[in-house]
Parts: sequence; C-alpha cells; structure tokens
Amino acid sequence: DAGVIQSPRHEVTEMGQEVTLRCKPISGHDYLFWYRQTMMRGLELLIYFNNNVPIDDSGMPEDRFSAKMPNASFSTLKIQPSEPRDSAVYFCASRPTGGGYGYTFGSGTRLTVV
Amino acid sequence: GENVEQHPSTLSVQEGDSAVIKCTYSDSASNYFPWYKQELGKRPQLIIDIRSNVGEKKDQRIAVTLNKTAKHFSLHITETQPEDSAVYFCAAAPDDKIIFGKGTRLHILP
Repeated sequence: DAGVIQSPRHEVTEMGQEVTLRCKPISGHDYLFWYRQTMMRGLELLIYFNNNVPIDDSGMPEDRFSAKMPNASFSTLKIQPSEPRDSAVYFCASRPTGGGYGYTFGSGTRLTVV
Repeated sequence: GENVEQHPSTLSVQEGDSAVIKCTYSDSASNYFPWYKQELGKRPQLIIDIRSNVGEKKDQRIAVTLNKTAKHFSLHITETQPEDSAVYFCAAAPDDKIIFGKGTRLHILP
C-alpha cells in the first residue's frame, strides 16, 4: 500500500494565481480530509468527504477555497486567487469507515504564495 | 463544536526521564482519542489511541490515560530517548472528524 499520496510536495506561486493541490487516498478508505497546518493555528480541518460527498466544509476559510472529490481515488483542493496568507502546509488524510480509526496522513504540500 | 486544549506547548526533559502531556476536551460525545507524533518536515503519524470505554492503554514506553468524567486525557512517555524529540498532538473525535490540540514540542536533552 503506497499510503496517501499528495502532489505536488512543494508549490511556490505568485499572489493572484490559481493553485490546485491533489490527493489520492488509500484504497478502500471511505473518508478523506483536508487540513491546513500553520505555526499560529496548528492543524485546522478545512473540509471532509465521505464516499466522495462533502460532509462538512465549515472550515473552508473563504470562497477562494474549493474542494472536489470526483471519484473514490482522487480529490483536489483549489485556491483561486491565492494570497500570501494562504502559505501553509496542506495535508490530506484518509481513514476507513467505522468508529475509532485514526487517520493516515499524506506527506503534505508546502504552499508558498509570494 | 469540539475544542481540544493541550499543555504544555513546549517541554524539555533529560534523556531517560519521563514526559507527560495533558489535554482536555469539551464535547462529551467524543469517544475516540488518538495521539500523533510529527517530526520536523514530516507528516503526523498515529502513535497510540484510546477509546472512551477504556481508561488506560500502554504500548512499550508510551501510555495514555483517559478520565471521561473530567474530560482529561494524557500521554506518558517513559525512559525518553533522543528520537522522541518531535511535536506531539492530542485529538478528540466527537463524530467522523478528528479535532486536534495545538501540539507540544518535546525536546530531549542529552
């Protein structure tokens, strides 16, 4: 099992540009989560999906952020337009159905907006 | 919604000594409490977890305790080693999602 796969690992972009982060969950995991990690705010939940359906997007900071999960093996997080304060590490995580399961995190995407 | 408080934010202990990290949670519906370790530049990794029907769980040098009445849970690391240096996150799960504390940076001093 290759684990949760995220791409790209690093992204540097100019303010105002569109950024797309990608995630492939572990096969058979029905839940997919997007988190943002910063020094000031720690690990913040942005949105999560169950069986490809968005369940809770209350953590998405602004309309500039959007996420999709077109199938069980792929999800994207898009920021348009990007701003310097979006600079952070974005983690994707997945877990199987059932209570009491921890997440498996991907390696993260370090986003820098200049 | 659930709120998880974690203390201390930074902890330094002498190699070989014990380290204790404490957390509180607010939502009595939370029934699953995982702990994650994150080394510099790496992903958080699950190191141990406990369910609400258990008061204590141990795995080699690490142990977790849970007091549901007080809504407290703790991580104990004994005989600390240099490789224990990392950021540790506690978390609570009231439903499908996990809410994390702000983390504790643990330094193991030689």
